[in-house]
Amino acid sequence: GESVGLHLPTLSVQEGDNSIINCAYSNSASDYFIWYKQESGKGPQFIIDIRSNMDKRQGQRVTVLLNKTVKHLSLQIAATQPGDSAVYFCAEKTGANSKLTFGKGITLSVRP
Amino acid sequence: DAGVIQSPRHEVTEMGQEVTLRCKPISGHDYLFWYRQTMMRGLELLIYFNNNVPIDDSGMPEDRFSAKMPNASFSTLKIQPSEPRDSAVYFCASSLAGLRDFFGQGTRLTVV
Repeated sequence: GESVGLHLPTLSVQEGDNSIINCAYSNSASDYFIWYKQESGKGPQFIIDIRSNMDKRQGQRVTVLLNKTVKHLSLQIAATQPGDSAVYFCAEKTGANSKLTFGKGITLSVRP
Repeated sequence: DAGVIQSPRHEVTEMGQEVTLRCKPISGHDYLFWYRQTMMRGLELLIYFNNNVPIDDSGMPEDRFSAKMPNASFSTLKIQPSEPRDSAVYFCASSLAGLRDFFGQGTRLTVV
């Protein structure tokens, strides 16, 4: 069936570098996407969202890019900090259906 | 705003016992979601409500699972009888108009 998946299970970056976390989705009808951050022992925390009528959205130190042609979503984190170490999930919703479908998650590890 | 509040944070019970998990959504939110998270299966949506009405319960694994939302500020997820394979972290989330689901801290359930 349709699913949201992540390319890599882990990503290790040097503190201060930029991080790019990628996500592929397979449901072309999806029109709303969210990135979540989950720290150990906590619930997923909303980072940034984007609708399908946009291809880029920026937040504080984070940027989400959406390429509908290849059904690809990415999260860019500028000047990665130790506090950014966590598991990151992409998730999608389709139309009036408000059910989120989550990817499997990728671990971001920041080296000091 | 206190966010989504779940209780208890941890629950250890014996196989066969009834377990009740509780959730207070963010005030004003009209959607409420129950998720289960395990290492093997990741985040799975169990059921969600809109304006206190169950919309989609296709993720509820078995008849042993039931969920209710008697009013806009309270929901329960009940497992009766509980089994060891139900051990997981259960999250409640709420959103306004189906956007930006906000998650609680979760209930870690261990069935022995």
